[in-house]
Amino acid sequence: EDKVVQSPLSLVVHEGDTVTLNCSYEVTNFRSLLWYKQEKKAPTFLFMLTSSGIEKKSGRLSSILDKKELFSILNITATQTGDSAVYLCAVKGGTSYGKLTFGQGTILTVHP
Amino acid sequence: NAGVTQTPKFQVLKTGQSMTLQCAQDMNHEYMSWYRQDPGMGLRLIHYSVGAGITDQGEVPNGYNVSRSTTEDFPLRLLSAAPSQTSVYFCASRPGGSSSYEQYFGPGTRLTVT
Repeated sequence: EDKVVQSPLSLVVHEGDTVTLNCSYEVTNFRSLLWYKQEKKAPTFLFMLTSSGIEKKSGRLSSILDKKELFSILNITATQTGDSAVYLCAVKGGTSYGKLTFGQGTILTVHP
Repeated sequence: NAGVTQTPKFQVLKTGQSMTLQCAQDMNHEYMSWYRQDPGMGLRLIHYSVGAGITDQGEVPNGYNVSRSTTEDFPLRLLSAAPSQTSVYFCASRPGGSSSYEQYFGPGTRLTVT
């Protein structure tokens, strides 16, 4: 059974801090790892990672995958209150059908 | 494009009642899925479909039925609601193939079973 574990489960920081969110996984026939941001509504897509060592970057957010050690990190630099959200990690494994396995999520709270 | 739409947004049911959560997408996506989200448990897959007429079970299928008669629609039926089914339900879709696994989510349905 595919498994995704995120840590920490919750994190409280102040504006301007840098945070690192972790996602480790066990999956059969790994295809891809995805990060989503969820702010009181539907999750919105951030990144998809398929290859080890290649950083994906969007503004202050970046993410990297390590397929040997089976984990990914999501970094957010110079955090803002608008970054407060639940960050979800999901992995795609097995067949090419539309199944994603999600982690529990990390609740990030950024105080002014 | 409206994307993925879900109705209703909120629903309260009594134990034993049945209902259907509606989901529709207008992006011609092959793959559609239903997830439930409970505090501290992320999103768990209930059922999914890889095309019209084809459905399969996810992690937590018990108590739910689905069908996919058209590409656009993927309704989720609760046969006999139980308090354990109190949750937020998300429908998602994505194109077929393996070029991108990004799923597009609907706005969610918050269901309370008393």
